[in-house]
Amino acid sequence: AQSVTQLDSHVSVSEGTPVLLRCNYSSSYSPSLFWYVQHPNKGLQLLLKYTSAATLVKGINGFEAEFKKSETSFHLTKPSAHMSDAAEYFCVVSPTTSGTYKYIFGTGTRLKVLA
Amino acid sequence: IAGITQAPTSQILAAGRRMTLRCTQDMRHNAMYWYRQDLGLGLRLIHYSNTAGTTGKGEVPDGYSVSRANTDDFPLTLASAVPSQTSVYFCASSVYYEQYFGPGTRLTVT
Repeated sequence: AQSVTQLDSHVSVSEGTPVLLRCNYSSSYSPSLFWYVQHPNKGLQLLLKYTSAATLVKGINGFEAEFKKSETSFHLTKPSAHMSDAAEYFCVVSPTTSGTYKYIFGTGTRLKVLA
Repeated sequence: IAGITQAPTSQILAAGRRMTLRCTQDMRHNAMYWYRQDLGLGLRLIHYSNTAGTTGKGEVPDGYSVSRANTDDFPLTLASAVPSQTSVYFCASSVYYEQYFGPGTRLTVT
């Protein structure tokens, strides 16, 4: 079975400080992992994805994530938060690296950026 | 049309009524999905379709049905709406592991 756990439902950071959003996963297969961002009253946008290539993945808007198989983690980081980063972030696991299968979403982390 | 469109944007529906949420994509993706988003629960998969003519059940399929007559359209039907189906519904398609989401339909069942 596949599952994903986002360890924090809310994270607050000051503008200009680092961001860390934590995600642990469980998968019986070699997983594909994703981070999506959702701004208020909007749809979801892909930030970055891991699909069994480089373990350090760079995404849009300065975000990156590192796949750590030994820790079953895929934490999202950004060196310096911007006010526009305030949004909800979802970690997603897919149990396959090919084809079209079910994506399992975490419950989300709401990021607040303080001026 | 660019990407995925959903209609209506929002709807208030009386309990017991039938409702179809529409989803259309112009990217020719084979796979499509319907999710519901509820506070604190993230997105939960209702139904999916790997290709035109096939559909499958997701995590929370009860009370919903889908059809996939062609590649572009993937409507979601609530046969007899209940208040617990109040939610925001997202349609998505995927290719090469990446999902593309529509803007969502906010449904309130009273």
